[in-house]
Amino acid sequence: GEDVEQSLFLSVREGDSSVINCTYTDSSSTYLYWYKQEPGAGLQLLTYIFSNMDMKQDQRLTVLLNKKDKHLSLRIADTQTGDSAIYFCAESMTNAGKSTFGDGTTLTVKP
Amino acid sequence: GAVVSQHPSWVICKSGTSVKIECRSLDFQATTMFWYRQFPKQSLMLMATSNEGSKATYEQGVEKDKFLINHASLTLSTLTVTSAHPEDSSFYICSARGTSGSMYTQYFGPGTRLTVL
Repeated sequence: GEDVEQSLFLSVREGDSSVINCTYTDSSSTYLYWYKQEPGAGLQLLTYIFSNMDMKQDQRLTVLLNKKDKHLSLRIADTQTGDSAIYFCAESMTNAGKSTFGDGTTLTVKP
Repeated sequence: GAVVSQHPSWVICKSGTSVKIECRSLDFQATTMFWYRQFPKQSLMLMATSNEGSKATYEQGVEKDKFLINHASLTLSTLTVTSAHPEDSSFYICSARGTSGSMYTQYFGPGTRLTVL
């Protein structure tokens, strides 16, 4: 079945860039998502990318997709303390179906 | 933007009782809602897909008689944990499928913290 993997922890200093990595196994994955979860809250969709795209930028967020290696990354520029949260990578074969989530990367931003 | 609410946000109950959690899409209609369970410091585990007007589709290993799902309208799905036990204590999150531009996406509720004593 589908599998999505992420590193569990990342710590950066305020103002630095953060790069969160994700790998997936299903070559049929068509839609790839990044979600943010703050403590005690649900998930917030940050951004998504179609599998026919290599890159997508949205303000401080840059998503890079290497479809050959099945590798997805999320770069947060000028990381702020408010960016501290758990970031989940997810994939879906269709945009109407269920998604498979990674285990989440806990980002800690130190002042 | 699309908003999904859950009620209650937290609940404490005695072992053996049943607990109902509501998931509502507030400003859009959702024919499909998803129920997840999240353990501390772990990822989301999809429990079931809830379809309006039909039976829910449960993931492997999830007891459908224990976790009853009802999707009676386009804006409401409920999850009832029957005869709850301490091992059912968890964070339950629902999501509703909506559209973002031309794309379907999941909008998540804030979650419900269930503690079974």
